[in-house]
Amino acid sequence: DGGITQSPKYLFRKEGQNVTLSCEQNLNHDAMYWYRQDPGQGLRLIYYSQIVNDFQKGDIAEGYSVSREKKESFPLTVTSAQKNPTAFYLCASSIRVGEPLHFGNGTRLTVT
Amino acid sequence: QKEVEQNSGPLSVPEGAIASLNCTYSDRGSQSFFWYRQYSGKSPELIMFIYSNGDKEDGRFTAQLNKASQYVSLLIRDSQPSDSATYLCAVHSGGGADGLTFGKGTHLLIQP
Repeated sequence: DGGITQSPKYLFRKEGQNVTLSCEQNLNHDAMYWYRQDPGQGLRLIYYSQIVNDFQKGDIAEGYSVSREKKESFPLTVTSAQKNPTAFYLCASSIRVGEPLHFGNGTRLTVT
Repeated sequence: QKEVEQNSGPLSVPEGAIASLNCTYSDRGSQSFFWYRQYSGKSPELIMFIYSNGDKEDGRFTAQLNKASQYVSLLIRDSQPSDSATYLCAVHSGGGADGLTFGKGTHLLIQP
């Protein structure tokens, strides 16, 4: 079955450490996205990519980095520069930008 | 700054009744509109999308779009307890190569 796989489901890190969240899709979608969700907040866009080897900052990119070396993969690194990294991170993909998003199951990151 | 506004709720509706969820958006150039359902602790799942003014029906769900008034709504007929969830409205601005802008969601509670 086609879908988006995020791993791990839960992630715990100490403050000051970088951490990388995995996102893989086998839907053959061109566009991929990372969103962050905090309690009582909507989804906020961190980074998005329209095509391999290209990505753009979203609304809250500071303290995060991404790469898009393969169509199927769009990993997100949460760096120590991110001031409030504890959140629910959602990866999504779409056929192209502007089309419906399909979400992975999310990674819940806790930094202490 | 593009904004998508939703009443946070909770919106309480008796089982079997029609639930009406509303959303307004600030960017008059927006062209694509989406409704997602999100259960607690889970990732959002696509319910409906609409691109043109008017109504679009899919089973018990109807999306309504009025671009002149900059609002989009979702009607759920014959509401079931399993419809209890948070409903997220999302908007894409045409011509912009970026992700969707999400509202904070409306919490819907179907009372048996």
